[in-house]
Amino acid sequence: GAVVSQHPSRVICKSGTSVKIECRSLDFQATTMFWYRQFPKQSLMLMATSNEGSKATYEQGVEKDKFLINHASLTLSTLTVTSAHPEDSSFYICSASGREEQYFGPGTRLTVT
Amino acid sequence: AQSVTQLGSHVSVSEGALVLLRCNYSSSVPPYLFWYVQYPNQGLQLLLKYTSAATLVKGINGFEAEFKKSETSFHLTKPSAHMSDAAEYFCAVRTIYNQGGKLIFGQGTELSVKP
Repeated sequence: GAVVSQHPSRVICKSGTSVKIECRSLDFQATTMFWYRQFPKQSLMLMATSNEGSKATYEQGVEKDKFLINHASLTLSTLTVTSAHPEDSSFYICSASGREEQYFGPGTRLTVT
Repeated sequence: AQSVTQLGSHVSVSEGALVLLRCNYSSSVPPYLFWYVQYPNQGLQLLLKYTSAATLVKGINGFEAEFKKSETSFHLTKPSAHMSDAAEYFCAVRTIYNQGGKLIFGQGTELSVKP
């Protein structure tokens, strides 16, 4: 099946710094990728829809200036958490749309100290 | 608008017992429905999907689900639970069945399997 990778798998950063998370579709091209956030023991919350070559569409309540999304190619989307704060600590998961379904990455655990 | 409700945030079964995880959906258009499994600190893995073909869908690891339009349900079952089935399970509905369709997730059900 289709494989989606995320890098890094874990990252710890200091408050006020920025962190970039990469999401790659390894064996297929994805016009659309999605970014989710998941808190412990909770469901996935869609943050934004990333379309190759155009601006991302953010869900209500998600700060687009804080969570910068770039989808420069059909196999790569990046999420940059700018000026991170402890409340941004979470598990971030991306997915890529294939022909029939979404394929999920393994997730990135972000801890902001 | 579409929504998904999973009844029961936690289900516990004994090894070898029937697994039943409940999912009800709301949709103004024919839905496409999915069940995903998530192990700790991992992404989501697709168990099975309903895409308007057969109403009884068989997935991986012995799981299956039946789409019942009259009951707006898509419950997940497995005849005999294994210890390795312990995980978080998510039911999801898709708004449109093509690239770009957003997934709407249920709240999740944690399955525990007792020896």
